[in-house]
Amino acid sequence: QSVLTQPPSVSGAPGQRVTISCTGSSSNIGAGYDVHWYQVVPGTAPKLLIYDSTNRPSGVPDRFSGSRSGTSASLAITGLQAEDEADYYCQSYDSSLSASGVFGGGTKLSVL
Amino acid sequence: EVQLLESGGGLVQPGGSLRLSCAASGFTFSNYAMSWVRQAPGKGLEWVSGISVTGAGTYYADSVKGRFTISRDNSKNTLYVQMNSLRAEDTAIYYCAKDSFASGTYPRFDFWGQGTLVTVSS
Repeated sequence: QSVLTQPPSVSGAPGQRVTISCTGSSSNIGAGYDVHWYQVVPGTAPKLLIYDSTNRPSGVPDRFSGSRSGTSASLAITGLQAEDEADYYCQSYDSSLSASGVFGGGTKLSVL
Repeated sequence: EVQLLESGGGLVQPGGSLRLSCAASGFTFSNYAMSWVRQAPGKGLEWVSGISVTGAGTYYADSVKGRFTISRDNSKNTLYVQMNSLRAEDTAIYYCAKDSFASGTYPRFDFWGQGTLVTVSS
């Protein structure tokens, strides 16, 4: 059971918009620690998608965007494409744990 | 181009040991903290361990503390993790991940390797 909670799955049709939530608490997201998002396509290396809650690394399409409010963060994907089908993970820091990094449980995005 | 190449995975019996390596290239290895992240079959990502640029700072998940030891050799651009007293629940793909920062305290993983599979089974 992760301290960052994500929905197990979301889905959408090509061209649609989907959002993936990452719900934390006052010891992680609510404390102001940065939130990062990763895309994992099975069989490939994970990829940094969004960093510091809202920023995109070079090469990441602007269809991907991030936001945060209070103890939660969200990843939005607009203009859904077939190649977006993957697992998505949020990651932050939690002051109540001895671990440096903590991941959400992951969300499987299916493009219908 | 940043490249991270893990090696050393394989099949090991419960209670056994294994050392994983991660050869880094395409960036100044000694300027960045590094971590190991794993993914068990059918499960999500789990941060395992991290190390600062000099190796003075090392960090472990509770699930591996006392059994795993992370280290680095900046002269060889290589990250290691020594895994002892392995358990079935340590079975996973182990990824090497480059941090965006030097300390490793608040990690952000900007590049990842392809991973190496560790299977703990009798």
